[in-house]
Amino acid sequence: KAGVTQTPRYLIKTRGQQVTLSCSPISGHRSVSWYQQTPGQGLQFLFEYFSETQRNKGNFPGRFSGRQFSNSRSEMNVSTLELGDSALYLCASSSFPGQTYEQYFGPGTRLTVT
Amino acid sequence: DQQVKQNSPSLSVQEGRISILNCDYTNSMFDYFLWYKKYPAEGPTFLISISSIKDKNEDGRFTVFLNKSAKHLSLHIVPSQPGDSAVYFCAASSNNNDMRFGAGTRLTVKP
Repeated sequence: KAGVTQTPRYLIKTRGQQVTLSCSPISGHRSVSWYQQTPGQGLQFLFEYFSETQRNKGNFPGRFSGRQFSNSRSEMNVSTLELGDSALYLCASSSFPGQTYEQYFGPGTRLTVT
Repeated sequence: DQQVKQNSPSLSVQEGRISILNCDYTNSMFDYFLWYKKYPAEGPTFLISISSIKDKNEDGRFTVFLNKSAKHLSLHIVPSQPGDSAVYFCAASSNNNDMRFGAGTRLTVKP
């Protein structure tokens, strides 16, 4: 079974731009969660989608948004990029929402904002 | 707010010895705790978990201990192997809600 895939793997943007990251979950998984990883802060929960609906949202500004498609693929968008948005963005999938112990992570997208 | 804290950013141990990684949490509603291991350029992978109804869970060389009164959990790796060198994240969740992670501890096991 193929794992969670994320595209692109690396991205460089400038302040003020917007970016869209993509995540394809493991086949059959319907829940996708997004996390931001920064040094010193660890992984911080962004949001979780299940069946195209946002189920949970972390404490991030409205510049961070996401969506999920009918095939369970998910995208997250960050508008008006700030330098502090530079981070590794990880996507994780699971069969159902809330089953945190069954989450499988992708390799992440490294975003650098200059 | 950092509800899950890993106060040691790094730990170095000799091969064959015990590695002890610590984690503290502040939210008494957390009822499920997990450890993830992360190698460079890869996503975290689930290692071991423990429910709040237990105080110990063992899986091979890995044992997680939970002290609810102290809001503290630890991961013991015995014996440590060079392949265990990675970043270890502690995580906690409540009522199947979003998971909170610690900042991670980088473990280096020296041959």
